[in-house]
Amino acid sequence: QKEVEQNSGPLSVPEGAIASLNCTYSDRGSQSFFWYRQYSGKSPELIMFIYSNGDKEDGRFTAQLNKASQYVSLLIRDSQPSDSATYLCAGYLTGGGNKLTFGTGTQLKVEL
Amino acid sequence: DADVTQTPRNRITKTGKRIMLECSQTKGHDRMYWYRQDPGLGLRLIYYSFDVKDINKGEISDGYSVSRQAQAKFSLSLESAIPNQTALYFCATRGYKTDTQYFGPGTRLTVL
Repeated sequence: QKEVEQNSGPLSVPEGAIASLNCTYSDRGSQSFFWYRQYSGKSPELIMFIYSNGDKEDGRFTAQLNKASQYVSLLIRDSQPSDSATYLCAGYLTGGGNKLTFGTGTQLKVEL
Repeated sequence: DADVTQTPRNRITKTGKRIMLECSQTKGHDRMYWYRQDPGLGLRLIYYSFDVKDINKGEISDGYSVSRQAQAKFSLSLESAIPNQTALYFCATRGYKTDTQYFGPGTRLTVL
């Protein structure tokens, strides 16, 4: 089992819809999680981080963390074509020595 | 000006050649990281450094070496490049007061 797992997609949503991106992790003791957006050939760009159980909202983005289920999600409301990218989930896993472990990413396509 | 810079941005080299990738940052961060990214495999950690005198191997350090010349500079070397080292390489930084890693623009390396 991968330590941070994501469905590779592509996930296709129509413009204006809510895109839901999901991530699971193997280490129950993991504390902090990050969502990065990466356009093709470009560097990862931080979208949000979340440390506590529950929801965290920032503009059109909402991150959700459920430590009991070892599950992290990112919701993008009013999806735009410019949101089309690969979304990377990452976390600092217990015993990981302050190393960020990344999932392989989910490709999102927002269609007109 | 970018906070994290990488040189070169693109490099084509031949098998057996020695090559150095450089990373510089103006964020004042003490922690620096080198990752490689391959399609379908996500970001994998090569080496990381918490300060000038602290260098650590990541999950895929074989065939690579690093040098932390100063707090702001962290170089990655391929002593004898091979074709399966063809990848996108990213440098990242992190301050000791934050969990967030910030990425440079990347170097696309092709080994023929």
